[in-house]
Amino acid sequence: GAGVSQSPSNKVTEKGKDVELRCDPISGHTALYWYRQSLGQGLEFLIYFQGNSAPDKSGLPSDRFSAERTGGSVSTLTIQRTQQEDSAVYLCASSWSGQLGTEAFFGQGTRLTVV
Amino acid sequence: GENVEQHPSTLSVQEGDSAVIKCTYSDSASNYFPWYKQELGKGPQLIIDIRSNVGEKKDQRIAVTLNKTAKHFSLHITETQPEDSAVYFCAASPPTGNQFYFGTGTSLTVIP
Repeated sequence: GAGVSQSPSNKVTEKGKDVELRCDPISGHTALYWYRQSLGQGLEFLIYFQGNSAPDKSGLPSDRFSAERTGGSVSTLTIQRTQQEDSAVYLCASSWSGQLGTEAFFGQGTRLTVV
Repeated sequence: GENVEQHPSTLSVQEGDSAVIKCTYSDSASNYFPWYKQELGKGPQLIIDIRSNVGEKKDQRIAVTLNKTAKHFSLHITETQPEDSAVYFCAASPPTGNQFYFGTGTSLTVIP
């Protein structure tokens, strides 16, 4: 596809379960970002991948959150032992390069609801 | 780290009027300032951006201005249309590019 693709678009899970959210960036984009958007709120940075460099995990809110990026392309955000406060829209973005201010393009997001 | 403030949080304008959204940032090293439009149920869409070596950029009905000295930048939408109704986010990015710092968003309503 031409844009950033995220799946699933919606996910309802029970408290305490683990979830995996997937992001397919634009082909050729080396930088990938995960953000979280709570209802009616702004975008909260979670994690950043750039090529083969070690990811910037400074935004992950707890050790229940982790992410990986395989082969420099697809990324998976994993939330373990989900809590109700994890309910939010999780957004992924990619850009050609994380350097020197290149445009970042977002996917449509995954709406996570923890019940 | 960088802190981006955005005003107003809500804005209503009559169709055809102009809309202005303002943002300030704290880190003078930030050098890239994108604006995103987010419609209900969708991801943010990049609509315009400006780099620190430019003071103004225009694309049809939208324009962005940057004042590096005062550390503020603004989005201007002229001849607003109902389809401009959305939430708009400003952002600032440092040279490392490792993340974008977003404002809290402005909900724009264009009244037909």
